[in-house]
Amino acid sequence: AQTVTQSQPEMSVQEAETVTLSCTYDTSENNYYLFWYKQPPSRQMILVIRQEAYKQQNATENRFSVNFQKAAKSFSLKISDSQLGDTAMYFCAFRVGETSGSRLTFGEGTQLTVNP
Amino acid sequence: DGGITQSPKYLFRKEGQNVTLSCEQNLNHDAMYWYRQDPGQGLRLIYYSQIVNDFQKGDIAEGYSVSREKKESFPLTVTSAQKNPTAFYLCASSIPQGYGYTFGSGTRLTVV
Repeated sequence: AQTVTQSQPEMSVQEAETVTLSCTYDTSENNYYLFWYKQPPSRQMILVIRQEAYKQQNATENRFSVNFQKAAKSFSLKISDSQLGDTAMYFCAFRVGETSGSRLTFGEGTQLTVNP
Repeated sequence: DGGITQSPKYLFRKEGQNVTLSCEQNLNHDAMYWYRQDPGQGLRLIYYSQIVNDFQKGDIAEGYSVSREKKESFPLTVTSAQKNPTAFYLCASSIPQGYGYTFGSGTRLTVV
């Protein structure tokens, strides 16, 4: 079974600074995908960034980037130039394979607060 | 615009009642999912469906039922057998090839 662990229940950062959220996962699969989702107070789930396990290059999306360490099964999210709108719950998630029905497994989440 | 619509946004249930949460998508996605989220916790999978007329239990299916009669629709019924139904429920859909899910805006169910 796949598991996803986020060891930081809460984090805070000052506006304009950089913060890193941690995620580790466990799987015996070789073909999988990793995601970070953001859930702001509206509770809408928003995809932040996606990483294919077969790609060595770390994914980036504007101020968001990941540090993907496949051997260590680690997938951290770095947020640069933090903004007040980044305040949200962040979930790391994992999905095996190519089929439409393959399930996303989520971590417990990290509540990030950006302070002015 | 394509997306997933969940209704209602808020739902109140009396003890012993069954209630049905609606989820409709116009994204032409084959797979649909129901997740439950409790305060301060992650998302737990209730049921999922890969194609019409087929669905599988997730990790916490007891006390819930689903149907998938149309590709666009995947309603979730919370039965009286679910002893602690107060939670936030999220519906999602997906396409193959490792893309993430598209989520609806959720339904907050409260037992009164």
